[in-house]
Amino acid sequence: DAGVTQSPTHLIKTRGQQVTLRCSPKSGHDTVSWYQQALGQGPQFIFQYYEEEERQRGNFPDRFSGHQFPNYSSELNVNALLLGDSALYLCASNDRRLAAYNEQFFGPGTRLTVL
Amino acid sequence: DAKTTQPPSMDCAEGRAANLPCNHSTISGNEYVYWYRQIHSQGPQYIIHGLKNNETNEMASLIITEDRKSSTLILPHATLRDTAVYYCIVRVAINYGGSQGNLIFGKGTKLSVKP
Repeated sequence: DAGVTQSPTHLIKTRGQQVTLRCSPKSGHDTVSWYQQALGQGPQFIFQYYEEEERQRGNFPDRFSGHQFPNYSSELNVNALLLGDSALYLCASNDRRLAAYNEQFFGPGTRLTVL
Repeated sequence: DAKTTQPPSMDCAEGRAANLPCNHSTISGNEYVYWYRQIHSQGPQYIIHGLKNNETNEMASLIITEDRKSSTLILPHATLRDTAVYYCIVRVAINYGGSQGNLIFGKGTKLSVKP
């Protein structure tokens, strides 16, 4: 049973460019959440998707957008990249049809470096 | 901001019990205590959660004080592979099938297990 997978593993971009990160949830999971983790900090919640719609959003600008596909996979898009967007981007999935306290499973992350 | 307070770092000898404290003095009656850990260069991994009773699973034990204002994660026989950052998170239970609340991470406790 594959866990949460993310691609690419590493990415280098320059300021002003746009980037798309991809996530496939754990088999059977319908909800995907994205987090940003700067060096030395804990992950910060960006947004959450289920039923192909954004359901919750953290304190991130509109440059951060996402999408969820019918197969539950998801993309995170960041426009007009800034140096401060350099971070590890984590995807987490869960099945919201299960008990309310079920845990989120995280992928290994995509390391984005903005030069 | 995170609703929890943890020491920034701790050391533990291999084979000994690691006791990681967490203060959550403002926890509400409907909030669970969750523990995750993040091994270097990996995504966070769920460990355990609890509401008010002590909990144990194959990874760890969770001891919650009677007033629920603090808790301790116990790794009974720490190994070198337990070296990681440990996050204590409080999170409201979500109604079945409803939106899964996001996780609010602090900086966690960096546990170093030494031979």
